[in-house]
Amino acid sequence: DAGVIQSPRHEVTEMGQEVTLRCKLISGHNSLFWYRQTMMRGLELLIYFNNNVPIDDSGMPEDRFSAKMPNASFSTLKIQPSEPRDSAVYFCASSLSTSGGADEQYFGPGTRLTVT
Amino acid sequence: AQSVAQPEDQVNVAEGNPLTVKCTYSVSGNPYLFWYVQYPNRGLQFLLKYITGDNLVKGSYGFEAEFNKSQTSFHLKKPSALVSDSALYFCAVRVLVRYIFGTGTRLKVLA
Repeated sequence: DAGVIQSPRHEVTEMGQEVTLRCKLISGHNSLFWYRQTMMRGLELLIYFNNNVPIDDSGMPEDRFSAKMPNASFSTLKIQPSEPRDSAVYFCASSLSTSGGADEQYFGPGTRLTVT
Repeated sequence: AQSVAQPEDQVNVAEGNPLTVKCTYSVSGNPYLFWYVQYPNRGLQFLLKYITGDNLVKGSYGFEAEFNKSQTSFHLKKPSALVSDSALYFCAVRVLVRYIFGTGTRLKVLA
């Protein structure tokens, strides 16, 4: 299996531009997580989907951030407009969520976003 | 508020010595507990998890963790550290639909 795939791996953009990060889940997985990692704030859960439905979006910083799952295997995280404080590494993770809920997550390699 | 604490930002240990990376949690209900490892410029990798049953959980790369309900702790351990174990380690808790990660502990194994 190819694992979780994220694109692009690196993104440099100017403040005010729209940024779209992409994630492909592991085949058969039904839960999708977006995280942000910075030195100052550590690892933050932004949003969590189960079976394409957002379950917990309490970590989404503000309305500039939006996440979607147009189908069961693909997700996008969009920032519009972007700001320098959005600079971070963004990780996507997927899992096979069972009714028990003790499912480990598989992380992608991350997208390093720099907003100038 | 529900939280996970990793009290040490960094742990240094000599190669061949036992290592412990600490994690404590404060949550309501019965949590599921996880450890992940992150190598430089990589995503997190799953190491082990506690669901129920035996308090000592064995995982990847010779790591194990001990669940202690009375102390609300889930410390990561390894009997003999390797230089290649040097990385950033995260403790995580799932309670109902909430996932909470600790701030991470950097482990440095010295040759």
